[in-house]
Amino acid sequence: GAGVSQSPRYKVAKRGQDVALRCDPISGHVSLFWYQQALGQGPEFLTYFQNEAQLDKSGLPSDRFFAERPEGSVSTLKIQRTQQEDSAVYLCASSLGDRGLTDTQYFGPGTRLTVL
Amino acid sequence: GENVEQHPSTLSVQEGDSAVIKCTYSDSASNYFPWYKQELGKGPQLIIDIRSNVGEKKDQRIAVTLNKTAKHFSLHITETQPEDSAVYFCAARDYGGSQGNLIFGKGTKLSVKP
Repeated sequence: GAGVSQSPRYKVAKRGQDVALRCDPISGHVSLFWYQQALGQGPEFLTYFQNEAQLDKSGLPSDRFFAERPEGSVSTLKIQRTQQEDSAVYLCASSLGDRGLTDTQYFGPGTRLTVL
Repeated sequence: GENVEQHPSTLSVQEGDSAVIKCTYSDSASNYFPWYKQELGKGPQLIIDIRSNVGEKKDQRIAVTLNKTAKHFSLHITETQPEDSAVYFCAARDYGGSQGNLIFGKGTKLSVKP
């Protein structure tokens, strides 16, 4: 079946613009994670959804970052008033079950955000 | 919270040789350790994982070992091939007040020379 998909694959924004990044998880997957990957670094956790509930947003770097998953499937990560330090690859991952049941996280290809 | 250290940051081997990447973690409560391979412009792809009730796991040319006492785990790739060239990340699952998000090392860029 289809894996995790993300769109757009590349996004260029001028400083101060708002952006929205989309994630389509594997069908039926309960858990959805967003990670931020800076150049040359490992992914860093941003936020977690179990179905439509956002259970952990401890990794969001500022209140300019907002994520939602209103129907428990597709998720959107929104960044308001983008800054140059927001430039990174934003990765989405999904897993079948909830915490403790199924561990394997499957990653999408990521969205590369460049803020000029 | 969990902290994962990964070494080396770069590794160059000849085709056919073995490659070993090592990681240490700080939280003894972590119990799940996946390894991901990331090629340029792509997302991380799971290649093997191990849970803390197992000391070693193999899948063809890839193996992972876990030492819970020392809190370190390693990836071993035998008979390396040019297509193994990529960045490899180790990770540990953080249960500390979170919902099981992964904590990643900084990555190892593996180059396999033909």
